[in-house]
Amino acid sequence: DIQMTQSPSSVSASVGDRITITCRASQAVSGYLTWYQHKPGKAPKLLIYSTSILQDGVPARFSGSGSGTDFTLTITNLQPDDFGTYFCQQATSIPFTFGPGTRVDIK
Amino acid sequence: QVHLQESGPGLVKPSETLSLTCSVSGRSVSSGNYYWSWIRQSAEKGLEWIGRVYTTGSTQYNPSLESRVFMSVDTSNNQFSLKLTSVTATDTAVYYCASGQYSGSWDFDNWGQGTLVTVSS
Repeated sequence: DIQMTQSPSSVSASVGDRITITCRASQAVSGYLTWYQHKPGKAPKLLIYSTSILQDGVPARFSGSGSGTDFTLTITNLQPDDFGTYFCQQATSIPFTFGPGTRVDIK
Repeated sequence: QVHLQESGPGLVKPSETLSLTCSVSGRSVSSGNYYWSWIRQSAEKGLEWIGRVYTTGSTQYNPSLESRVFMSVDTSNNQFSLKLTSVTATDTAVYYCASGQYSGSWDFDNWGQGTLVTVSS
């Protein structure tokens, strides 16, 4: 199985800040790296797929980059609604696996 | 707008079978364009993909659970379901149903809110 790790495990930032979350896979995932946002009690929301493609309706302040085994999610101009847990997923080989998540708190 | 909703018992006894259903609206489980998955989340293991089923009935499961998992689709009710046999306390988790459409990437563009299933006598 492809193991996924994320850092940091949590981040606290202010409205307007820029934050970066890193996801690392134990082997190359051919660019098929997906990011989700999850708020307590809600359904997880797909943000970015194939490393950098924004899902319809996702604000442009979210962006993704990376290749091989190392990927990043960047949120610029952080907004109050951006709180929650962000997790990555390798979307290339079974079993699909997920990162442990990064909790984002708004100061 | 696509909506998925999990339903089923919140408490299952050890060694019994966990059964969940996912009701879908806004997307047809009969469509060959989509796949229908179950994913669970526990404090110990984090998010774990359980498997997926297609409208044809074809399935793919996580090898770690394959011997105990069965998934199916019910096109008449626009639902799909999960059965997990011989459960133990380690199967206690929030169970999510999710769907996706292959675009080179096997991701999940719609999820349910999740349902907590506790395995306990």
